[in-house]
Amino acid sequence: EIVLTQSPGTLSLSPGEGATLSCRASQSVSSTYLAWYLQKPGQAPRLLIYGASSRATGIPDRFSGSGSGTDFTLTISRLEPEDFAVYYCQQYGSSPPYTFGQGTKLEIK
Amino acid sequence: EVQVVESGGGLVQPGGSLRLSCAASGFTFNTYEMNWVRQAPGKGLEWVSYINSRSDSIYYADSVKGRFTISRDNAKNSLYLQMNSLRAEDTAVYYCAKTSGWHNDYWGQGTLVTVSS
Repeated sequence: EIVLTQSPGTLSLSPGEGATLSCRASQSVSSTYLAWYLQKPGQAPRLLIYGASSRATGIPDRFSGSGSGTDFTLTISRLEPEDFAVYYCQQYGSSPPYTFGQGTKLEIK
Repeated sequence: EVQVVESGGGLVQPGGSLRLSCAASGFTFNTYEMNWVRQAPGKGLEWVSYINSRSDSIYYADSVKGRFTISRDNAKNSLYLQMNSLRAEDTAVYYCAKTSGWHNDYWGQGTLVTVSS
C-alpha cells in the first residue's frame, strides 16, 4: 500500500500570501496518478489538480501543482479568503488501495 | 450538468445492513469508472471501493472487504454500495465520485451513515 504523507498538518497564513503544501509518497507514484482536492467545511471535496500539474475545469491559475516520483507540491499564490480549507492529495497507483493523504488544513492567520 | 446524488444513509445498529445508491446524470454513465469514498466525523478522506464501467474490475479497501459490495446498473445510471455487518467505525459520510482517468472529477454531496445501538 502506498502511504501519502502531507505536510504541514496545519498552515496558518494571511490572504495575499503564498502557500506551499507537500505530499510525499512511501513509494514512487506516476505523475499521471496524483491528484489534489480541496474540501470546505460541510462540503464535498472538489478536484483541483490532476496528473500532478493539470488544473481542473474552473480552477484559477493561482493554483499550481508540481512534482514527480515520491514528492509532490501544491502551490497557491496570492491566497484568497475562499482558499482557506483542507487540501488532500490522492494517488491512483497501478493497483489499489487508492489512498489519500491525511490532509493539510490551510487556516487564516 | 454533471450530477451525482447519493441516498440511502441513516442510522443502523451494529451488525446491520444498509444499501447506498448514487444517481448519476449529465454524462454517459456507462463509460465511466466510479468510486465510493468515505469520511468519518472530523477525519480525512478514505477510499472505499472502485468499479469500472463494465463491472468486471472491482476493488475494495481492506477495511470493508468481505462486508461491502459495490455494483452498478448502467441502464438506470446508478451506482450502489451494499454494506453488511456494519461496525461503529463505518460511521461516516459516504461520497459517490465519478472517475475520469485517474482522478475523481465530480463528487456528490454525500450521505451520512451512522452505526450505533
